Amino acid sequence: ETGVTQTPRHLVMGMTNKKSLKCEQHLGHNAMYWYKQSAKKPLELMFVYSLEERVENNSVPSRFSPECPNSSHLFLHLHTLQPEDSALYLCASSQDTERDIQYFGAGTRLSVL
Amino acid sequence: EDQVTQSPEALRLQEGESSSLNCSYTVSGLRGLFWYRQDPGKGPEFLFTLYSAGEEKEKERLKATLTKKESFLHITAPKPEDSATYLCAVYGGADGLTFGKGTHLIIQP
Repeated sequence: ETGVTQTPRHLVMGMTNKKSLKCEQHLGHNAMYWYKQSAKKPLELMFVYSLEERVENNSVPSRFSPECPNSSHLFLHLHTLQPEDSALYLCASSQDTERDIQYFGAGTRLSVL
Repeated sequence: EDQVTQSPEALRLQEGESSSLNCSYTVSGLRGLFWYRQDPGKGPEFLFTLYSAGEEKEKERLKATLTKKESFLHITAPKPEDSATYLCAVYGGADGLTFGKGTHLIIQP
């Protein structure tokens, strides 16, 4: 398997549920990212990890909790979400956090009821 | 704060009708400009990266150009399979990668 793989592809959850999104990259990259994509809005950078260390957190609410156990895997733990958190969540990776090309997964379409 | 504005928001063309998409940007020290293509239900797919004014890159029917204030994605004799949303992003260093809202392109047979 190659590239960046995200699971699940679709997720429906209630406001009191706890769920996790998973991302795996097979490109040998050192940096991984979580983005949020909402309709009519640009991609919003949420978190950046470099060599498993978080280097950026763009004022994301604490109901989103990232985890990077190694350079190939990235998780986004979700709890007590709000309906406005419904969006496409995209994972990306790059060789490092400088101006390298970011390669994206297909995303997880999240619906919060 | 880095800013990216893409125009038009949507564009409908006939097959074979050439046109250009615009990406205007404001960044303190451009370190790279990126074009991506995004199909419905999929993540963005990398197309080009440009680093300095005057640089141009081509791939099949697409050609990207860069000036100090904007970038153009020229599409020549497009085909229906070129229909997608085209995203522009800039890397200025401090803010990470900043994306525009995209141009939704439809090519009619």
